[in-house]
Amino acid sequence: SQQGEEDPQALSIQEGENATMNCSYKTSINNLQWYRQNSGRGLVHLILIRSNEREKHSGRLRVTLDTSKKSSSLLITASRAADTASYFCATLEPIYGKLTFGQGTILTVHP
Amino acid sequence: GAGVSQTPSNKVTEKGKYVELRCDPISGHTALYWYRQSLGQGPEFLIYFQGTGAADDSGLPNDRFFAVRPEGSVSTLKIQRTERGDSAMYLCASSFRPNTEAFFGQGTRLTVV
Repeated sequence: SQQGEEDPQALSIQEGENATMNCSYKTSINNLQWYRQNSGRGLVHLILIRSNEREKHSGRLRVTLDTSKKSSSLLITASRAADTASYFCATLEPIYGKLTFGQGTILTVHP
Repeated sequence: GAGVSQTPSNKVTEKGKYVELRCDPISGHTALYWYRQSLGQGPEFLIYFQGTGAADDSGLPNDRFFAVRPEGSVSTLKIQRTERGDSAMYLCASSFRPNTEAFFGQGTRLTVV
């Protein structure tokens, strides 16, 4: 079963704009991770935020986590055509370490 | 190795046949995950190993699916009596510890004809 639910399912923007994707989950977590996937191949790890953290930055990426609302957001600033991909959030359960993915957001950045 | 390696990258098999998919995790990584992904969907959890033991196999769809990791490194996902519905991308990931970043291989695309 899927734990995380991403919103929106698809996002289309122009190069240079910011892209925001949201993730909601249902149970307690150890951490939440964001991944990118191009062309249906392997996933690339972007950023990990722990349950006791509220915000994290990595380059043009900004992730927030609100454990009271069981939600996270991924912001990509100054988007580029190369950012076009599917983005997934994944939550790690506290005890067994099971990593569960959402359905993903398809981001298209137009040059 | 430098990253997670999955072999083969593509596998076409006939309905009813047995297949094995291999995953070589990053050296030293104790946690290993198997996922199945259909087109347009998120990765679906199959099984998680911590060391040699399966810590959680709740995602295996039925008893035709089995996975092993006998020495705590390489893992093999085994599918018996394959069905057309088993066609999907099978992804493997490893992490140094369960609560750290997981790194994925490029996947094995399985097609059952």
